[in-house]
Amino acid sequence: DAKTTQPPSMDCAEGRAANLPCNHSTISGNEYVYWYRQIHSQGPQYIIHGLKNNETNEMASLIITEDRKSSTLILPHATLRDTAVYYCIVRGSGFQKLVFGTGTRLLVSP
Amino acid sequence: NAGVTQTPKFQVLKTGQSMTLQCAQDMNHNSMYWYRQDPGMGLRLIYYSASEGTTDKGEVPNGYNVSRLNKREFSLRLESAAPSQTSVYFCAASRTGAVEQYFGPGTRLTVT
Repeated sequence: DAKTTQPPSMDCAEGRAANLPCNHSTISGNEYVYWYRQIHSQGPQYIIHGLKNNETNEMASLIITEDRKSSTLILPHATLRDTAVYYCIVRGSGFQKLVFGTGTRLLVSP
Repeated sequence: NAGVTQTPKFQVLKTGQSMTLQCAQDMNHNSMYWYRQDPGMGLRLIYYSASEGTTDKGEVPNGYNVSRLNKREFSLRLESAAPSQTSVYFCAASRTGAVEQYFGPGTRLTVT
């Protein structure tokens, strides 16, 4: 599995967009980018995933650069409940385990 | 529809004691997983079961055993608990090969 690099922490004001970056310069052609988050004392929660096209769902948007070496998770209007650790994971298709790094701790403040 | 449930929520063991962590899912998913999470670290995979009747080791299997009792249930056993196994344990389930894993609320285990 390709490794990922994320900043250890970020701050965001409530109501503003939170842009969480992830570097995955060794990603291979068949590997997807996944994002999970973990709110304090809870199990991780799937957010979104993509291969090369940008993706959007009800929770977030995922922007993947054309060379696929980095991506950005966007929470368009962050709320206090979005305070969590966000994990960027790269994995191939089919049955493969998820490898969680240490993620980015996002703090959303009033 | 409860998703993934885990019991117990909290447990304190003495060194050398044994216990089984229970996990059940009502989503009819084929694959199930056990992870542990230590303070300040990401999750690490202990064991997984790609489908009913199969189990495989993950990154940190030593000191643990698992049983895929049926499609719904996947248990994790500590035969002789050690302080190094103090952690939060998460169970997860997914469709075969699926991106999305659904996690339970976790079991907080302390071994003294």
